[in-house]
Amino acid sequence: KAGVTQTPRYLIKTRGQQVTLSCSPISGHRSVSWYQQTPGQGLQFLFEYFSETQRNKGNFPGRFSGRQFSNSRSEMNVSTLELGDSALYLCASSSGSSGNSPLHFGNGTRLTVT
Amino acid sequence: LAKTTQPISMDSYEGQEVNITCSHNNIATNDYITWYQQFPSQGPRFIIQGYKTKVTNEVASLFIPADRKSSTLSLPRVSLSDTAVYYCLARGGSYIPTFGRGTSLIVHP
Repeated sequence: KAGVTQTPRYLIKTRGQQVTLSCSPISGHRSVSWYQQTPGQGLQFLFEYFSETQRNKGNFPGRFSGRQFSNSRSEMNVSTLELGDSALYLCASSSGSSGNSPLHFGNGTRLTVT
Repeated sequence: LAKTTQPISMDSYEGQEVNITCSHNNIATNDYITWYQQFPSQGPRFIIQGYKTKVTNEVASLFIPADRKSSTLSLPRVSLSDTAVYYCLARGGSYIPTFGRGTSLIVHP
């Protein structure tokens, strides 16, 4: 089975711009979650989708949004980028609906905001 | 939110057993505790998961006491390739996944 695929791998954006990141989960996985990883804050949960519905949301401003499509692929969008948004954004998929299924991570999108 | 705390770093030598403990207050009643391994430029990779007592798989063991407020990941006979960052994951009553800050394990020859 192919793993979780995230595109693009690297992005450089300017403050004020917006960005869309894409995630293709493992085939058959219906849950997709997103995380922000920074040296200062570690791995922080952004949101989780299951069957196109947002199931949970972390403590991030409304500039961060996401969605999931009927084929389980997911996108996250960050509007009005700030320097502090520079981070590695990780997507993970899982097979179950309970939330206890192990997460399978992609290798992330490295976003740099200048 | 579940608050997870783990040591920032650990050092070991090849062939030794390494134990990494994570404390997780306010873990949700029916939530599992999961550990992940991360190498540079890669996403975290699942190692092991458990609810209580002891779980063992081909690469690690996980010990969870009855109060479930902590867990210990045990790596038997580590090798240089086990040098990585290890994260514990728990969820609190709001079911927000909360990762520990990660333990950087360095295995020396």
